[in-house]
Amino acid sequence: SQQGEEDPQALSIQEGENATMNCSYKTSINNLQWYRQNSGRGLVHLILIRSNEREKHSGRLRVTLDTSKKSSSLLITASRAADTASYFCATSSGSRLTFGEGTQLTVNP
Amino acid sequence: DVKVTQSSRYLVKRTGEKVFLECVQDMDHENMFWYRQDPGLGLRLIYFSYDVKMKEKGDIPEGYSVSREKKERFSLILESASTNQTSMYLCASSRMGPRMNTEAFFGQGTRLTVV
Repeated sequence: SQQGEEDPQALSIQEGENATMNCSYKTSINNLQWYRQNSGRGLVHLILIRSNEREKHSGRLRVTLDTSKKSSSLLITASRAADTASYFCATSSGSRLTFGEGTQLTVNP
Repeated sequence: DVKVTQSSRYLVKRTGEKVFLECVQDMDHENMFWYRQDPGLGLRLIYFSYDVKMKEKGDIPEGYSVSREKKERFSLILESASTNQTSMYLCASSRMGPRMNTEAFFGQGTRLTVV
């Protein structure tokens, strides 16, 4: 079974709006990571948050982690058409790295 | 730049064939992974390896095996290919930090079609 489950499965917004994606997981983790995948390409790492951190920022990205609820969220502020992609959360436990099903984000110009 | 290279971008094989998917990384990473990606199912972990000759089953190991004889190379083997193994296969590698994975780097993927 997959560790991470993203919500929503698909999200469509207008350029300039914020996009929020959520991830829930089931077991204990060392860290949680977010990745982006453009259509037909490999995944690219966006941000990593450790289990003892609650919030992390990187440019227009903001990630939160709530280990008591086993959930994380990724916020992309001031979205651009170029942010259109699939976004995946991944949980790390030891050497194991498990991904969720992803959220397809479409940013309309 | 870290590079993860998968041997083929597209592959067509016949049912029952033995198939080898090769992955090479050039950054001396301890961890290597094989995933398959199917529409609506995200990435599912097949096998991973944390050291030479060491491997662990992921969530869907049935029908697959792996080999890691050298640190930089991780091979996925389909012993007898079946049509339900038609998929996109993604290889990744990562450095092992203190008791945890750091960011993973992915290859471009191999789209395997079994006919």
